[in-house]
This record gives sequence, C-alpha cells and structure tokens, in this order.
Amino acid sequence: GAGVSQSPRYKVAKRGQDVALRCDPISGHVSLFWYQQALGQGPEFLTYFQNEAQLDKSGLPSDRFFAERPEGSVSTLKIQRTQQEDSAVYLCASSLATAGNTGELFFGEGSRLTVL
Amino acid sequence: GESVGLHLPTLSVQEGDNSIINCAYSNSASDYFIWYKQESGKGPQFIIDIRSNMDKRQGQRVTVLLNKTVKHLSLQIAATQPGDSAVYFCAENSNYQLIWGAGTKLIIKP
Repeated sequence: GAGVSQSPRYKVAKRGQDVALRCDPISGHVSLFWYQQALGQGPEFLTYFQNEAQLDKSGLPSDRFFAERPEGSVSTLKIQRTQQEDSAVYLCASSLATAGNTGELFFGEGSRLTVL
Repeated sequence: GESVGLHLPTLSVQEGDNSIINCAYSNSASDYFIWYKQESGKGPQFIIDIRSNMDKRQGQRVTVLLNKTVKHLSLQIAATQPGDSAVYFCAENSNYQLIWGAGTKLIIKP
C-alpha cells in the first residue's frame, strides 16, 4: 500500500492476555517507530528500529512489552499479560531517514487497545 | 527536563478566519520542530517543520514561526476551513525521538 498500515485497528483484550500488534511500514523506509498515545495526550515514544536493528527501546514501559522487526520491514509490538493501564492507541511510523537525520514521519492510523 | 507544551487545549475560530496555535518548549538546544495534525481516529499527519536556524517557514495556507528567545513556536492557518478541524500537536525532535505536547483541539464555527 501507499501508506503505513497497522492491524488490528481495534483490539479488546482481557487483563492478562497477550496481544500482538502489526505494522507494515512504507516500502523502503529504513526507520520505524512505535508510539503509545493515551486518550487526549500526545504520543509517547516506545521504540525505534533502523532496518532490523532495534536501536532504542528506552520508551517501553516494562518488560511485558517487546518489539521486533526481523527482516527490516514488518514490525510487531507484543504486549504480554496485558494490564488496564496498557489501554491506548499504539501508533507506528516510518521514515526514509535514519537516526539522527530529521525527516518526515509517516504514521499509520493506529491500533486501539482496550484492556478490560 | 525537556518538555513541549501547548498554551490552550481548545481553540474555536470562525470559518474563514485565521487560526493561531501556540506551543512552548523548554529545551533551548532543540534544533528541529514539527507540527502535526491529527483527525479523530487517525494517525498524526505531518503539516510543516522548521529548523532552529529559521524564524519562519511557509507552506500551503500554513506558516510556522519560531522565536528562540522565548522558546515559542506557533502555527498559523490562513482562511480556516471545516477540514482543518483536528487536534494539532507540536513536536520537538530530540535525537530521533519526538517529544510531543498534549495538543490543541481546533474547532471551526460555521
């Protein structure tokens, strides 16, 4: 597709369940980011990939959060043993630029996670 | 610490008027700022950016002003249209991490 694609768009999980959120970045984009956006707030950085390398995961809230991008394209954000505070929109963004070089970020529409 | 914030959570303007959305930042070393527009249920969309070696940058119907002295950023939208209704975020580029403000919701009155 032409843009960043995320799936599922909506996910309802019971507390304690594991979830996996998928991101298909724009083809050829080197950089991939995951952000978490709580209701009424700005996005908060979670993690950054340059190709398949996870260069920064300092924003991941706990060790229940795990992200990967094994072939430098599609990325998956996994949340284990979900908690209610994990409820948020998870945004994926990609960029042609590499770390340290500013460039336009293209965002997907997000995956809205609700943990009951 | 580093932070980017907005002065007003909601801005209501008459259709056809100009809109001005403000943003303050605290890190004087920041050298790159971006404005994003986020419509309900969608991801943020890039509007315009500006580097710290510039005071002003213009796009189509939008202008960003940067005042480094007071660490203030503004987004001006000319002739505001119904399609401009959204939440507007300023973001500060810190390395490759974007640090975002809470956003300003722009409401267009008919």
